[in-house]
Amino acid sequence: SQQGEEDPQALSIQEGENATMNCSYKTSINNLQWYRQNSGRGLVHLILIRSNEREKHSGRLRVTLDTSKKSSSLLITASRAADTASYFCATDASDTGRRALTFGSGTRLQVQP
Amino acid sequence: GAVVSQHPSRVICKSGTSVKIECRSLDFQATTMFWYRQFPKQSLMLMATSNEGSKATYEQGVEKDKFLINHASLTLSTLTVTSAHPEDSSFYICSARPGQGVYNEQFFGPGTRLTVL
Repeated sequence: SQQGEEDPQALSIQEGENATMNCSYKTSINNLQWYRQNSGRGLVHLILIRSNEREKHSGRLRVTLDTSKKSSSLLITASRAADTASYFCATDASDTGRRALTFGSGTRLQVQP
Repeated sequence: GAVVSQHPSRVICKSGTSVKIECRSLDFQATTMFWYRQFPKQSLMLMATSNEGSKATYEQGVEKDKFLINHASLTLSTLTVTSAHPEDSSFYICSARPGQGVYNEQFFGPGTRLTVL
């Protein structure tokens, strides 16, 4: 079953603006990852944040993790039209042995040129 | 990063036929691979965990006799959709992770789009 819920479900912004997506999950985790998926294509791994980390940066991406609230956010700064895609968070639960990822419901980002 | 390939990338078949999808880890060994399914405008749902040399572990609601998984080697897992029907039309994605460390990321294949007529 889906563990993560993401909001907003859809987000439309202008080029140059920042985009923030949020993810909530339910169980203890080893790490949380964010992925991008262009329409009809495979997943692109963006960033992994460990359970003992609170913030991580990669280029224009900034991810935060609050394990007390079981939530994470992905910030894309200075967005570009090429950032248009669906974004998913995925958690690696620590209390199961299976090691599969559980995906959030996703946020569809539209960046208007 | 590590590379996972899938073949075919797209397949169209008639109802009642079986379709095999291959997932390969190209530059690492994976004792465990995962199969996900994604319906249009939805998220990825785990179908099963493929274990090299042993039976796959299926998620609740996934029919093991319909979705046959074979993990014949440390670099290859196959998913066979048997007697496919239009409701099986979906995007099937595999993933693998090199190593067992809890901080190892998973690498995803490019996906296979199955259309059953």
